[in-house]
Amino acid sequence: AQSVTQLGSHVSVSEGALVLLRCNYSSSVPPYLFWYVQYPNQGLQLLLKYTSAATLVKGINGFEAEFKKSETSFHLTKPSAHMSDAAEYFCAVSKTGANNLFFGTGTRLTVIP
Amino acid sequence: NAGVTQTPKFQVLKTGQSMTLQCAQDMNHNSMYWYRQDPGMGLRLIYYSASEGTTDKGEVPNGYNVSRLNKREFSLRLESAAPSQTSVYFCASSESRTQYGYTFGSGTRLTVV
Repeated sequence: AQSVTQLGSHVSVSEGALVLLRCNYSSSVPPYLFWYVQYPNQGLQLLLKYTSAATLVKGINGFEAEFKKSETSFHLTKPSAHMSDAAEYFCAVSKTGANNLFFGTGTRLTVIP
Repeated sequence: NAGVTQTPKFQVLKTGQSMTLQCAQDMNHNSMYWYRQDPGMGLRLIYYSASEGTTDKGEVPNGYNVSRLNKREFSLRLESAAPSQTSVYFCASSESRTQYGYTFGSGTRLTVV
């Protein structure tokens, strides 16, 4: 079975500080991993994805995530938070042959000026 | 713009009323999905259609029906709305293989009173 755990439903950072959003997955086979961002009253937008190529994945808006198989983690980071990063972030997992993605419960990021 | 289009964006229903949420994609994707989003619960899969002519239940199918009208369109029907179906509904589409991730519509905010 596949599942995703996002630690921390709410994260607050100061503008300019490091952003770290945590995601741990469980999958019996090598997974595909995704981070999506949802701005208020909008749909979800793909930030980045890992599909078994490079373990460090760079996405849009300066975000990146590192796949660590030994830790079953795929944490999302950004070196310097911007006010426009305030949103909800979802981690998702799938695998070869799967019919759909499984989503975490989301982390709401607040950026403090 | 290419993508996934959902209608309506907002709807208020009385308990027991019926309605159909419409979804269309113009990316020639084979697979389409309906999710509901509730606070603290992330996205939960209602139904999906792996290809034209097929539909399957997801995690929370009770109270819903779907129709894959053609390759572009995938509708979600509530036959007798209940307050528990108050939610934000998202349609998504993808290539046949989930490693490419989803493209999401902008959502339908449904309130059942």
